[in-house]
Amino acid sequence: QVQLVQSGAEVKKPGASVNISCKASGYTFTSYGVNWVRQAPGQGLEWMGWITTRNGNTKYDQKVQGRVTMTIDTSTSTAYMELTSLKPDDTAVYYCVREGFGFMFWGQGTLVTVSS
Amino acid sequence: DIVMTQSPDSLAVSLGERATITCKSSQSISYTSNNKNYLAWYQQKPGQPPKLLISWASTRASGVPDRFSGSESGPDFTLTISSLQAEDVAVYYCQQYFITPYTFGQGTKLEIK
Repeated sequence: QVQLVQSGAEVKKPGASVNISCKASGYTFTSYGVNWVRQAPGQGLEWMGWITTRNGNTKYDQKVQGRVTMTIDTSTSTAYMELTSLKPDDTAVYYCVREGFGFMFWGQGTLVTVSS
Repeated sequence: DIVMTQSPDSLAVSLGERATITCKSSQSISYTSNNKNYLAWYQQKPGQPPKLLISWASTRASGVPDRFSGSESGPDFTLTISSLQAEDVAVYYCQQYFITPYTFGQGTKLEIK
């Protein structure tokens, strides 16, 4: 069965960086891209960007462009999302989601707390 | 960016009654070549990731009960729960996947009356 397993919760200070991993299993990793979606506490869903697993091309939302880097490691079927220059309003649950017409497969989410 | 606007923001419905949530897109989310609407509906319960209910505006995802249905009329899209069950209490989101940035509605909180 398709599974996306993310790394654990992080607590960071403002200005720091965070790197979240998302290990995929149960399907051919290079057949589907990976989206990243975040959700601030009590708030809605915000798409951050997408990476193709064929060649690593990316598309980022303007809100995080310049601070976000999405990468993949096809040898371990793992996608990564790094967010730099963290601010308190980056506090959110971050999800990786397999590409598809409709987001069927989600990771369990990684809580990132940004606080001094 | 395409703006997705849901209504209402919250909704209380009696068990066994119909619940209806509407989503409006700020621009077309379909190609004339295939006439498909690139719209999905999700259900999210506390502490869980969203669950895909409907894609292509009206196609139920695998395993989704048939009391959930999606429809469209012009720029408006509707999610209907025909007979509300207790386990349907959740926040519901629409999303367009027509063009990046893929955008979500603000969410509709569904409760039992």
